[in-house]
Amino acid sequence: EADIYQTPRYLVIGTGKKITLECSQTMGHDKMYWYQQDPGMELHLIHYSYGVNSTEKGDLSSESTVSRIRTEHFPLTLESARPSHTSQYLCASSETGIAYEQYFGPGTRLTVT
Amino acid sequence: AQSVTQPDIHITVSEGASLELRCNYSYGATPYLFWYVQSPGQGLQLLLKYFSGDTLVQGIKGFEAEFKRSQSSFNLRKPSVHWSDAAEYFCAVAPFGNEKLTFGTGTRLTIIP
Repeated sequence: EADIYQTPRYLVIGTGKKITLECSQTMGHDKMYWYQQDPGMELHLIHYSYGVNSTEKGDLSSESTVSRIRTEHFPLTLESARPSHTSQYLCASSETGIAYEQYFGPGTRLTVT
Repeated sequence: AQSVTQPDIHITVSEGASLELRCNYSYGATPYLFWYVQSPGQGLQLLLKYFSGDTLVQGIKGFEAEFKRSQSSFNLRKPSVHWSDAAEYFCAVAPFGNEKLTFGTGTRLTIIP
């Protein structure tokens, strides 16, 4: 059973606030990903990491930043939230060598007012 | 760049009836193909995947999918749906040697008694 956690599950915050979305996995996976998902739209990759101290931007431009200091932890930060950041954010991880089987967390639904 | 099309935004099926969800991809070579399911308030769960070999692949929860190279399709099927199958279904592709997934926009499945 895949164990990947995201907190908070729901967040409503005002414009200009700094926020950090947490993602942790207990599977020891090297690769981790952040996706942005809007209703009725496909998931878009915004960040990924192939290991500690490795981070790359994804296909969709995002004002968020990520860090990977520990294998199990891949937080996403927005320095100054805006209404355009309102979306669902999904974290995923995969094991090296089985690169395509990504395990997803439950997601964080962010609303910026 | 590869793309994925799920032409049906919403499908309604009676419980016990058969199901087919369509997925077409656009890519120069045969990519790796996946179907994921997302229940309300949950992350995505992998149903099945196709890498090579037998074009009919079996997945979890009684689902299967058939890869048809000539039609660039990877349709998902289930012979008899259950009320618990109500969810959003996403088709995804990844080029060989590239872990980054490209998702379709999803098909929402509603089950009626």
